[in-house]
Amino acid sequence: GQNIDQPTEMTATEGAIVQINCTYQTSGFNGLFWYQQHAGEAPTFLSYNVLDGLEEKGRFSSFLSRSKGYSYLLLKELQMKDSASYLCAVREEKSNYQLIWGAGTKLIIKP
Amino acid sequence: NAGVTQTPKFRVLKTGQSMTLLCAQDMNHEYMYWYRQDPGMGLRLIHYSVGEGTTAKGEVPDGYNVSRLKKQNFLLGLESAAPSQTSVYFCASISGTGNGYTFGSGTRLTVV
Repeated sequence: GQNIDQPTEMTATEGAIVQINCTYQTSGFNGLFWYQQHAGEAPTFLSYNVLDGLEEKGRFSSFLSRSKGYSYLLLKELQMKDSASYLCAVREEKSNYQLIWGAGTKLIIKP
Repeated sequence: NAGVTQTPKFRVLKTGQSMTLLCAQDMNHEYMYWYRQDPGMGLRLIHYSVGEGTTAKGEVPDGYNVSRLKKQNFLLGLESAAPSQTSVYFCASISGTGNGYTFGSGTRLTVV
């Protein structure tokens, strides 16, 4: 069946590094997405991985291992504005671009 | 470009009332989706559309209807609202070649 797991909540310190993990089980994989969602707002696109390896985009990086059904989002030089929920989502093959969503990880940044 | 616009942003309904949520996109996207988001749960797909005049059921379609008469608009209807439909509703769209969804700002619906 389809399943996406990520931690419910994490806490980190301003200026530090945090890694948010996501594991998934799906029928036919066609890409993994990370979105950021601030409280009361819509999700916004952060990254997309379809091949194994690390994609770096400024302070944010995303890693994918298809054989392990595993991804992580790495946030460096944390800022207070990074306090948000981070959503992991997987696209299956032949899915009309539908995404299967994890419940999200609430990241709390402390000074 | 406005992107994806949802109206209304907030609404309170009484049980049994009906309403329509409007999603409009100006990016000429083919695919449009309606999700609901509840605390502690991932986004759940209600209905979606792969093009003008087409609609299909998602994961949680019961109690909702949709229409896509024009490519830019995707309407979500609640015929007889129930308290279980209290949620935040998001519309999203994507082009056939794009990678990420563009989301609307959401509609916070409370059914009392």
